[in-house]
Amino acid sequence: SQQGEEDPQALSIQEGENATMNCSYKTSINNLQWYRQNSGRGLVHLILIRSNEREKHSGRLRVTLDTSKKSSSLLITASRAADTASYFCATGTQGGSEKLVFGKGMKLTVNP
Amino acid sequence: GAVVSQHPSWVICKSGTSVKIECRSLDFQATTMFWYRQFPKQSLMLMATSNEGSKATYEQGVEKDKFLINHASLTLSTLTVTSAHPEDSSFYICSARILARSYNEQFFGPGTRLTVL
Repeated sequence: SQQGEEDPQALSIQEGENATMNCSYKTSINNLQWYRQNSGRGLVHLILIRSNEREKHSGRLRVTLDTSKKSSSLLITASRAADTASYFCATGTQGGSEKLVFGKGMKLTVNP
Repeated sequence: GAVVSQHPSWVICKSGTSVKIECRSLDFQATTMFWYRQFPKQSLMLMATSNEGSKATYEQGVEKDKFLINHASLTLSTLTVTSAHPEDSSFYICSARILARSYNEQFFGPGTRLTVL
């Protein structure tokens, strides 16, 4: 399967609920990043977590990283309709490579 | 800060023509720029890595003669789709890595939608 796969692929929730997205990867990483993409637009960087970190917060976002399980989760608390977008995880690998490997993405719909 | 622009935002061209897409870092210098393509409802696929003053490094399966990349300065990279065909229709996104950053956070442009008739 592909490096950086998000689970679930699509999620629909009500405003105010929390949304959790999971990402799994296969190789050793230097960091893992989460991006957001509104339909037909570019990507917006949300948060980066390094391989030696386990949890990170930014506003309503909480990211965890479990390198032993090669997985990460993105939690959006108190969701808003404006959070409706596609979310991607991307991994930066060890060894000096600058490349990011993107997951398949997850479509989040927050209903007002 | 860290704004990346792309031009044009969309383009429609006839089959067989060439199309140039520009990617600019507006308020920072980018040692490295990346070009991705994205098909509808799919993820981003890296096409090539562009370093200022040197030849681009293409990913496996990407034709370098078809997708010409020029990284002429620390703030500008261009992607030229040569002899475009309908199967080249896609959303092309560039990103830039900030000089001297110790990790590979990338800042993305808004994308260019290419439609080849």
